[in-house]
Amino acid sequence: EVQLVESGGDLVQPGGSLRLSCVTSGFTFNDNVMTWVRQAPGKGLEWISAIKSKTDTAYYADSVKGRFTMSKDKSKGTVYLQMNSLRVEDTARYYCVKGLSSTGASWGQGTLVTVSS
Amino acid sequence: DIQMTQSLSTLSASIGDRVTITCRASQNISHWLAWYQQEPGKVPKLLIYKASILEIGVPSRFSGSGSGTDFTLTINSLQPEDFATYYCHQYENYPKSFGQGTKVEI
Repeated sequence: EVQLVESGGDLVQPGGSLRLSCVTSGFTFNDNVMTWVRQAPGKGLEWISAIKSKTDTAYYADSVKGRFTMSKDKSKGTVYLQMNSLRVEDTARYYCVKGLSSTGASWGQGTLVTVSS
Repeated sequence: DIQMTQSLSTLSASIGDRVTITCRASQNISHWLAWYQQEPGKVPKLLIYKASILEIGVPSRFSGSGSGTDFTLTINSLQPEDFATYYCHQYENYPKSFGQGTKVEI
């Protein structure tokens, strides 16, 4: 069974940093593109970052480029999202997703990030 | 960057109705489009990928069509469990993107 478990969400002040983790199991980690999608309270889905399966190449939405860094540890089957210079508008539930655009897409339950003073 | 536009943010319908949700891309994305359903308080669920391929386990009353810039999600004979928000998602190129969502309500 595919499992994705996010953690690391918290309440943080504007300008602060957080690192989110997504521990995966039940599938071949190295064969899948992993993605972070966020959803602000009462709002729609926003694609923010993805990392390719065969390389460590990561891609970002303009809204987070230069502030967020996505990485992965193949030995642990884990992806990370380092978030720096956090803004109030980064407040959202952050979802880790396996294979966002293909059959068998799987989502974690998400982790909540709140940016507030 | 490619922008995705869903023309309706809310759509009112009744049980048994045929519902059509549209999505437009700001440039040609061929057939690289998926549709997601999100029920309140739940994680999004993939319905359709490559514009028209039904994900395993999704009821056949759901169908997708279109290519290039204009796409449609159709729900035949709307069921109570179909009242949800639907998002289109383009994956032609990075950065990928979602439409803003269409909420189907009674």
